[in-house]
Amino acid sequence: EAQVTQNPRYLITVTGKKLTVTCSQNMNHEYMSWYRQDPGLGLRQIYYSMNVEVTDKGDVPEGYKVSRKEKRNFPLILESPSPNQTSLYFCASSLSFWLAGSGEQFFGPGTRLTVL
Amino acid sequence: SQQGEEDPQALSIQEGENATMNCSYKTSINNLQWYRQNSGRGLVHLILIRSNEREKHSGRLRVTLDTSKKSSSLLITASRAADTASYFCATDATRAGNTPLVFGKGTRLSVIA
Repeated sequence: EAQVTQNPRYLITVTGKKLTVTCSQNMNHEYMSWYRQDPGLGLRQIYYSMNVEVTDKGDVPEGYKVSRKEKRNFPLILESPSPNQTSLYFCASSLSFWLAGSGEQFFGPGTRLTVL
Repeated sequence: SQQGEEDPQALSIQEGENATMNCSYKTSINNLQWYRQNSGRGLVHLILIRSNEREKHSGRLRVTLDTSKKSSSLLITASRAADTASYFCATDATRAGNTPLVFGKGTRLSVIA
């Protein structure tokens, strides 16, 4: 089944404790991105990747890192999480950046992160 | 920002009634999409309407687009309790920069059985 998976689905952690949220897709997609969703703010893009070893900042990159060593994986790293990073995070993928804008972007199920 | 703005923020209707949600945006677009999100889950693509289209149907969904007013509406006919979800419009921003889609803040729809 074609899908985007994220792990963990739920995470409660404390300020400053490094964490990684994994994202994996099995559709051979080139374009992958991370969003965070906060009440009243909608979805905002954190980082994106056009292809392997090509990543760039989105609208709200501060406090986050990403890597794209393999095509299928795009982990989101919080080196020193803070309470303002408590949010619902979504990974998404598409065959290409252009197709993502044309409706063919697939979203993962989400990771709810709480930073105490 | 090209972000879409949905209206209303929340809508509560009885099962069987029609639900209408509106979206306004700021700049010219290639297309506009509507997504659905069940509580705490990922977004699911519902329908896309291109800038040269005025109306599109998919099952119980009807989308209209008025590029002169920079607005779109999503109509769900004969609503069901299972339609309870948040609905987001998203505009194609591929020409503008690094974000392929710019999402609005969503309309939370509650359908009461």
